[in-house]
Amino acid sequence: GAGVSQSPSNKVTEKGKDVELRCDPISGHTALYWYRQSLGQGLEFLIYFQGNSAPDKSGLPSDRFSAERTGGSVSTLTIQRTQQEDSAVYLCASSPRTRTDTQYFGPGTRLTVL
Amino acid sequence: EDKVVQSPLSLVVHEGDTVTLNCSYEVTNFRSLLWYKQEKKAPTFLFMLTSSGIEKKSGRLSSILDKKELFSILNITATQTGDSAIYLCAVTYWLNNAGNMLTFGGGTRLMVKP
Repeated sequence: GAGVSQSPSNKVTEKGKDVELRCDPISGHTALYWYRQSLGQGLEFLIYFQGNSAPDKSGLPSDRFSAERTGGSVSTLTIQRTQQEDSAVYLCASSPRTRTDTQYFGPGTRLTVL
Repeated sequence: EDKVVQSPLSLVVHEGDTVTLNCSYEVTNFRSLLWYKQEKKAPTFLFMLTSSGIEKKSGRLSSILDKKELFSILNITATQTGDSAIYLCAVTYWLNNAGNMLTFGGGTRLMVKP
């Protein structure tokens, strides 16, 4: 079946603009995660959704970052007033039920803030 | 504090060599340890380990978990240039008042030269 999909695959924006990144998880997966990976760095956890609620937002780096999930499916990560340090690959993953299940990753969105 | 530590940070070998990647962890209420391979953007799942001493094998890759000493190793025999990637280790565990958690290590960057 279809895997996790993300859009856009690449996004170039100017400092100060808002961006929206989209994630379509595997159908039926209730858990959804957002990660960020800066150049040469490991994965940095951002936020975890169980259904439409986010029991763990501890990784969001600032109040410029927000995420929502609707209908227990698609999720959108929004970054307001982008900064150059926001440049990274943003990865989304989903798992069938809980955080202890294997996570399946999407192809990522490469965000470049000029 | 770092809960999941991988070593070495990077490794350069020649085709045909055997490599061992290490992952140590320090969590309470451990559930499982996962290995991922990340080539371009999205990590792909390799192994999930939950029991000590039972080797999991897939082709030239194998992995084993030691829950007493709190570490896992990932072995790659007869390395090929296509094995060049970042190898990520992740640990799932239960955190009181927060539920199931997953934390990634910083990864080991493997380069296999022809």
